[in-house]
Order: sequence, then structure tokens, then C-alpha cells
Amino acid sequence: NAGVTQTPKFRVLKTGQSMTLLCAQDMNHEYMYWYRQDPGMGLRLIHYSVGEGTTAKGEVPDGYNVSRLKKQNFLLGLESAAPSQTSVYFCASSYSFPGAGANVLTFGAGSRLTVL
Amino acid sequence: SQQGEEDPQALSIQEGENATMNCSYKTSINNLQWYRQNSGRGLVHLILIRSNEREKHSGRLRVTLDTSKKSSSLLITASRAADTASYFCATDKTGGTSYGKLTFGQGTILTVHP
Repeated sequence: NAGVTQTPKFRVLKTGQSMTLLCAQDMNHEYMYWYRQDPGMGLRLIHYSVGEGTTAKGEVPDGYNVSRLKKQNFLLGLESAAPSQTSVYFCASSYSFPGAGANVLTFGAGSRLTVL
Repeated sequence: SQQGEEDPQALSIQEGENATMNCSYKTSINNLQWYRQNSGRGLVHLILIRSNEREKHSGRLRVTLDTSKKSSSLLITASRAADTASYFCATDKTGGTSYGKLTFGQGTILTVHP
């Protein structure tokens, strides 16, 4: 049981290049999320998905696109990378905490992206 | 804008001592969660407290919640060097279906010296 797997773990891009981060979960979770983590900023939600074929914007969606073609996969794309997108990106999926009506997140190990 | 603010930003203690971290938030919540992040790793869920609860325990962890003050605290008792990590509070807001969209604080960096 691998949990949440992110690829690649590290990537260096030049300004203007494009790339896709892949997130895969094997827990049959319905909801999936992409967060970015910057020093002193905590984690900020980029986009999320509540099921296969659905996506929605989070707090900081500009410059990113996402797709959820299969329930187990959630892709984050950067069409034209900018230095401001240098960050560590975390994918997460969630399940409902028994009896609490709440969702608990399971995170991947992160993908460190540097845009030069 | 960030929902949660954590205090202190960094905490350094000796093994065996207790560590207390605080979290304040701005809007009404359904629940508040604490996560731990070891250096270079993803976040791991520690404990959840619902808005109608005041205190929860899990092993060496004790969480309190004061909704009137919009604040929570995480106490780690008898700390160990392995507890060295960053600790984040995360809130799940009220109002509609949140779909588990948590808002995270900036985190407290805890260092436990052997």
C-alpha cells in the first residue's frame, strides 16, 4: 500500500517552460488536492477535485491547471513556468474521519520545483 | 490569507520536557487538525478535534480547543528527539460542504535535543 505517490521528486525548469506533476493514490479516496509550500507561508491550496472528472480552484490557482481523468490520478500542470512558482508542491487525498464528519488528509512526499 | 497563525515559530527543548504549540484562527470552524512534517517529507495527520470538543488525547499528545477565543494548543509530553519536526494546525471551515479543504497555519519548528 503506497499511499500517495508524487513524481517527479525534483525538477528544474527555465522560465516559460511547461511541465506536469503527477499524483497517484491507491486508497480509493474520492477527494484530491494540490498544495504549495513556501517558507513562512505554510501550505496554500492550488486546486482540488471532489471526484473523477471534476476540478475546482483553491486559494492560489493562477498559472496552474489540473486534470482528474482517473479517480486515482490528479495532475498539476504549469503551462508557462515563472520564478514565482518555485516551491515545494504537495499532493494529498482525503477520507472521512469516522464519526466526525471530517476529512483527514494523506500527503505525498512532495515535489521540489525550481524555476530559473 | 492564512486562516491560522502559530506560536511560537520555533521551539527548542531538551528530551523529556513538554512542548506546547499554539494556533489561532479567524473564522468559525467544523474541526481543527494537527499535522507533523519531518524535514523533507510530507505532512502526517496527528489528531483531530471537533468544534464541539474542548480536549482530545492521543498517546503523548493533548489538544485543546477554545472556540470562543478561536485558538487551539498542542501539547507533546515527555518529548523525544524523534519528535523534532514542524507542526501545523489546519482548520476546516463551517458553511456548506468543505470537501476537506483545509487551511494551514505557518507551522512551529520543534527541535528536541537529546
